[in-house]
Amino acid sequence: KQEVTQIPAALSVPEGENLVLNCSFTDSAIYNLQWFRQDPGKGLTSLLLIQSSQREQTSGRLNASLDKSSGRSTLYIAASQPGDSATYLCAVDSGGSNYKLTFGKGTLLTVNP
Amino acid sequence: DGGITQSPKYLFRKEGQNVTLSCEQNLNHDAMYWYRQDPGQGLRLIYYSQIVNDFQKGDIAEGYSVSREKKESFPLTVTSAQKNPTAFYLCASSSQLQLEQYFGPGTRLTVT
Repeated sequence: KQEVTQIPAALSVPEGENLVLNCSFTDSAIYNLQWFRQDPGKGLTSLLLIQSSQREQTSGRLNASLDKSSGRSTLYIAASQPGDSATYLCAVDSGGSNYKLTFGKGTLLTVNP
Repeated sequence: DGGITQSPKYLFRKEGQNVTLSCEQNLNHDAMYWYRQDPGQGLRLIYYSQIVNDFQKGDIAEGYSVSREKKESFPLTVTSAQKNPTAFYLCASSSQLQLEQYFGPGTRLTVT
C-alpha cells in the first residue's frame, strides 16, 4: 500500500527566503505526482503535476523535482512571500486506470513579513 | 467560469439524519471524486466515478453513498451509519487525458 510522508509538518521562514518542502513515498512505481496548496478552510489548488517520465516542473517561483528511484519529490519556493503562507500537500498516483491519489498530511508554511 | 462548485459551504445536522452534499462541475471531466479531510490527517478517498452510471468505493466508503446520473454531478450522501461524519468534504474531478485533479471549495459538515 502506497504511503506518502511530508517533512517537516510545519515550517516558518522570514520573507525572501528560498525554501524546500519534502515529500517521500514508499512505492516508487508511480504514474505521476501532484503538488497542491490549501488555504485555511478552502479547497485545494493544483500547483504542479510531474509525470513519472519527468524529472522536474516549473511554474513561476515554484520548482518541483521527482526522483522515482529514491521515492522522493521536493517543492522549491524561491523568494518566499507572506502570500505563500498555506498548507502544501503532495499526492501520488500509483497508476492503473482509476486515477486515485494518495495524499501526504501536508506541510504548514508560514512566511513572516 | 469553468470549475467545480460544492454546496452548501457549511452544513449542520443532528445525529441520525442522512445528509446530501452537492458537487457540480462544468469542466467536461469524466472522472469525479469525493474525499474527506480531518485535522492532522491527509485526504482520504470515499468514492470515485470514472463514467456516468458507474462508481467505485474508495478507502473509507462505509456509511456513505453516491450516484452519478449526469456527467456534471456527483452527489454524496452521508448516512446515519457513518460513525464520525463531522469533517471537511472535498469534491474533485479530472479528465482522462490531463490526469490533474481539480478541487471544489469544500463543504464543512458538523453533526451533533
